[in-house]
Amino acid sequence: AQSVTQLDSQVPVFEEAPVELRCNYSSSVSVYLFWYVQYPNQGLQLLLKYLSGSTLVKGINGFEAEFNKSQTSFHLRKPSVHISDTAEYFCAVPAGGSARQLTFGSGTQLTVLP
Amino acid sequence: KAGVTQTPRYLIKTRGQQVTLSCSPISGHRSVSWYQQTPGQGLQFLFEYFSETQRNKGNFPGRFSGRQFSNSRSEMNVSTLELGDSALYLCASSLQGARDGYTFGSGTRLTVV
Repeated sequence: AQSVTQLDSQVPVFEEAPVELRCNYSSSVSVYLFWYVQYPNQGLQLLLKYLSGSTLVKGINGFEAEFNKSQTSFHLRKPSVHISDTAEYFCAVPAGGSARQLTFGSGTQLTVLP
Repeated sequence: KAGVTQTPRYLIKTRGQQVTLSCSPISGHRSVSWYQQTPGQGLQFLFEYFSETQRNKGNFPGRFSGRQFSNSRSEMNVSTLELGDSALYLCASSLQGARDGYTFGSGTRLTVV
């Protein structure tokens, strides 16, 4: 079964600084990967997804992620964060190769400090 | 277009009772999935419905059930509630399944006392 590991549970960063949220997955089959964001008292929102093709994926709100097959990673980056980016971020992969459910990482709480 | 609507937003129930949660997906989306979110276990998959059929089920006891109607609206039911069922229940709709990317509702916060 596929699994996903988010290496940092909390990431504090100052406003306008760059940030990287790390995600590693385990898989022996072709993958597709997702990043979702959850703001307080809300559901999750899709930031970006990798299905195939270019390994650099651009998403909403200025975020991007790079699929690295050799390192089985899909790290999320933003060159300059804003206070409004404070939220919890989840990496997700298909569960057991199934297209019908996702396995989510444990989440990374990004806190942007003024 | 309208997003995914979940009702109610908040619910308080007593142990042993049952509860029904509702989800209206985005128009045109035929797949509806349910996830449970708790601080300890994170996001866990409950089940997925597509065209009124349950296509996939997570590792939850039989007290958790669901259904989907012909208009793609979905309900999930939890019977004989336990304290551990307290959680945020999230509904996610998609065109065909998870691969398309989910659109989530805001969730129903269930508290069992």
